[in-house]
Amino acid sequence: EEQLVESGGGLVQPGRSLRLACTASGFSFGDFGFNWVRQAPGRGLEWVGFIRTKSVGGTKEYAASVRGRFTISRDDSKNIVYLHMNSLQSRDTAVYYCTREAYSNFVSEYWGRGTLVTVSS
Amino acid sequence: SYVLTQPASVSVAPGQTARITCGGINIGSKSVHWYQQKPGQAPVLVVYDDRDRPSGIPERISGSNSGNTATLTISRVEAGDEADFYCQVWDNDSDVVFGGGTKLTVL
Repeated sequence: EEQLVESGGGLVQPGRSLRLACTASGFSFGDFGFNWVRQAPGRGLEWVGFIRTKSVGGTKEYAASVRGRFTISRDDSKNIVYLHMNSLQSRDTAVYYCTREAYSNFVSEYWGRGTLVTVSS
Repeated sequence: SYVLTQPASVSVAPGQTARITCGGINIGSKSVHWYQQKPGQAPVLVVYDDRDRPSGIPERISGSNSGNTATLTISRVEAGDEADFYCQVWDNDSDVVFGGGTKLTVL
């Protein structure tokens, strides 16, 4: 069974950094790209970024709202995707979901349950 | 940046048909995907590429896309369909965009 489990969320002060991890199981990790999608409390979905497979260079894309502050990476030997978040601001407070791409560009077929990041002093 | 507009809410009686729209400039030229999110749960993909369904999604859920409007149609609505629904597209200039979401209420 395909599974994605996010971890690393918590309370962090403004301006600090945090790294989220998404551990995958139940499928061939290296064959898929991954999105990060976030949802602020009581709000809608917001795409954060995407990382492609190593076979096509492992390139990444980022939303304008996080570009230059957030970085996505992957470790195919451990089946983990990371979201490195720097210079965190209160507006980054959200549940962060890791998703597996399938069917078409940036389509999220499978989702993790999410991890909550709260940016507050 | 590209904007997707959804109604904040749609209400329908059980057994009736719900239609949730997603408006965008020339959205008919893009591939639209739809997600259902129930309270406290992660979203679930229900339609991709305008009208295709992942395995396990019932046939009474369908999608269409033309002109400036994409539509998610849920036939024979059940109480268990109550959820928030989001449309999504990929735009070359704006990257990935979600609509603001529509709350489906079953009366």
